[in-house]
Amino acid sequence: DGGITQSPKYLFRKEGQNVTLSCEQNLNHDAMYWYRQDPGQGLRLIYYSQIVNDFQKGDIAEGYSVSREKKESFPLTVTSAQKNPTAFYLCASSNGPLNQPQHFGDGTRLSIL
Amino acid sequence: AQKITQTQPGMFVQEKEAVTLDCTYDTSDQSYGLFWYKQPSSGEMIFLIYQGSYDEQNATEGRYSLNFQKARKSANLVISASQLGDSAMYFCAMREKLNTGGFKTIFGAGTRLFVKA
Repeated sequence: DGGITQSPKYLFRKEGQNVTLSCEQNLNHDAMYWYRQDPGQGLRLIYYSQIVNDFQKGDIAEGYSVSREKKESFPLTVTSAQKNPTAFYLCASSNGPLNQPQHFGDGTRLSIL
Repeated sequence: AQKITQTQPGMFVQEKEAVTLDCTYDTSDQSYGLFWYKQPSSGEMIFLIYQGSYDEQNATEGRYSLNFQKARKSANLVISASQLGDSAMYFCAMREKLNTGGFKTIFGAGTRLFVKA
């Protein structure tokens, strides 16, 4: 079955450490997205990529970095510059046209040690 | 700026009754898509229903219907015959086309629905 795989499910970060969240999709979608969700809140866009080797900052990109070297992969690195990284991170993908919903992974819960 | 507003942080409904979850949006674009997603406590996002800005008929998907009032910029979700499994967080979202040719989706803060037995 096609879908989006996020790993790990749970991740712990030490102070000053960079960590990378994996997102892989086999839906052949061009666009991929990373969202952050804080408890009881909606989703906020961190980064998105419409095509391989291209990505754009979302609303809360500071302290995060991404790469898009392959169509199926869109890893997110949470850098030490992100002072409050504890959150639930969701990866999504989609294709045009406008009426296509986003497909989501199961998420990664990141906590500070 | 585009914006999605969900004014009900939490809602209670009796099992087998209908419930309406409110959503208003703000955009200057003429072409956009409106979505509702369900997020159970496990965290995954489940697509429920879609309404296009040019669609004249309200969208329906099984027990879900979308009450679309374009002039009022509202897109309320109606769940009929509520079930205990409907207890979850519900998000309204709007998708717009970017100048770069891609799409961007923004989400509301969500409404937590509790279905009582």
